[in-house]
Amino acid sequence: KAGVTQTPRYLIKTRGQQVTLSCSPISGHRSVSWYQQTPGQGLQFLFEYFSETQRNKGNFPGRFSGRQFSNSRSEMNVSTLELGDSALYLCASSNHGQGKSRSSYNEQFFGPGTRLTVL
Amino acid sequence: AQSVSQHNHHVILSEAASLELGCNYSYGGTVNLFWYVQYPGQHLQLLLKYFSGDPLVKGIKGFEAEFIKSKFSFNLRKPSVQWSDTAEYFCAVTFSGTYKYIFGTGTRLKVLA
Repeated sequence: KAGVTQTPRYLIKTRGQQVTLSCSPISGHRSVSWYQQTPGQGLQFLFEYFSETQRNKGNFPGRFSGRQFSNSRSEMNVSTLELGDSALYLCASSNHGQGKSRSSYNEQFFGPGTRLTVL
Repeated sequence: AQSVSQHNHHVILSEAASLELGCNYSYGGTVNLFWYVQYPGQHLQLLLKYFSGDPLVKGIKGFEAEFIKSKFSFNLRKPSVQWSDTAEYFCAVTFSGTYKYIFGTGTRLKVLA
């Protein structure tokens, strides 16, 4: 099975611009989560999508938004970029919630990330 | 608020030394627990997970972790580390009723050959 893929791998933007990042989950996975990783802060949860619906949300401002398509691919958008948005953005997919038990949990598989630099 | 703490931010060990990395979470209900590892230049990958049952969990590459409910802890251990264990280690928790993963800030382990 192909792993989680993220595009682009690297991005350089300037303050005030907006950016869209893309994530393709592992085939069959319907849950896609997004994280922001920065040194010293670890991974901060942004949001999780399941079957095109946002199921969980972290504590990020409204400038951070996302969506999921019917093929489970997901995009994350950041508007009005700030210097502090420079980070590695990780996407993770999982099949949790898809088992016989609706509350079934399973591990997340991570993509390589998109390194965003805001100048 | 639900949170996960990793108290060791940087750890330096010599090869063959024993390793224990701490992880504590702040929640009294049902949890699922994970340890992930990020080797230099590689993706995050799962080391081990605990959902229920035996609180001593064995993972890949000789790692194990013990869930102690009374201490809200899920410490990672390895009896003898190798140079190739140099990486960043993250503890993560999902809390009952949510698929939201909360990660600790990570522990950078450097193993000296």
